[in-house]
Amino acid sequence: ETGVTQTPRHLVMGMTNKKSLKCEQHLGHNAMYWYKQSAKKPLELMFVYNFKEQTENNSVPSRFSPECPNSSHLFLHLHTLQPEDSALYLCASSARSGLNGYTFGSGTRLTVV
Amino acid sequence: LAKTTQPISMDSYEGQEVNITCSHNNIATNDYITWYQQFPSQGPRFIIQGYKTKVTNEVASLFIPADRKSSTLSLPRVSLSDTAVYYCLVGQNYGGATNKLIFGTGTLLAVQP
Repeated sequence: ETGVTQTPRHLVMGMTNKKSLKCEQHLGHNAMYWYKQSAKKPLELMFVYNFKEQTENNSVPSRFSPECPNSSHLFLHLHTLQPEDSALYLCASSARSGLNGYTFGSGTRLTVV
Repeated sequence: LAKTTQPISMDSYEGQEVNITCSHNNIATNDYITWYQQFPSQGPRFIIQGYKTKVTNEVASLFIPADRKSSTLSLPRVSLSDTAVYYCLVGQNYGGATNKLIFGTGTLLAVQP
C-alpha cells in the first residue's frame, strides 16, 4: 500500500449506469488529483484539488464529476460514460511543500460496456 | 509548463548501471525535477526529486547540470524487477498554486537476464 487507497480496484459498468470511484489518503497531504491512463497512452491529468477546492479542470467532459469533501477524500462520480472512457483511473496526493512528489494509488480499472 | 524529452525505450542486462537522460530546455526557476517508476496496471511510484547538482537515495541517483536543462536518472545494478516505465517530470508542486505534473510518454526500460 502506498498510503493512497482507491476503491474499487476493478469496475465494469454499462453506459447508462451511475457509479463512483473513491480515493482516500491519510498522509496529511493537502492536494489531490485524478489522472486517466488509457491503453498505451501517457497519464492525462483530469482534476486538481488544493485544500478541498478545485483548481484545475483539464477540459474533462461533464459525465465525470469530481467531489472533494475534505483534504483526505476524493471521489469521481461517473454517469452515462462511453466505451472510450475505459481506462485506469489514478488518484494521487501531494504535500504543500512539493517535497517527495506525488503519491499515487493503485488505480481503478474501469471498463465501460 | 516545461516539456520533457526522454528516450522511448532502453535495454539493459541484470547487474548493469542504467542512465536515463531527460531534456527539459524550458525549465523554470521554480521547477523541481522528479522521476517516477510505473509498472503495468499500477500507479506511478516516486523515485527521486531534485533541484540542482546531485541527489542520491537508496534507490537511485539524480544528476542535474548547472544549467538544469537536462537531468540523468542513474539506477545502479538493475535487476529484472526494474523493468518498468520511467517518467521524468518538471514542474511546480506548491499547494495553493497551480500545481500539476504533466506526464509524457516515459522511457520503457527492459532488463534482460
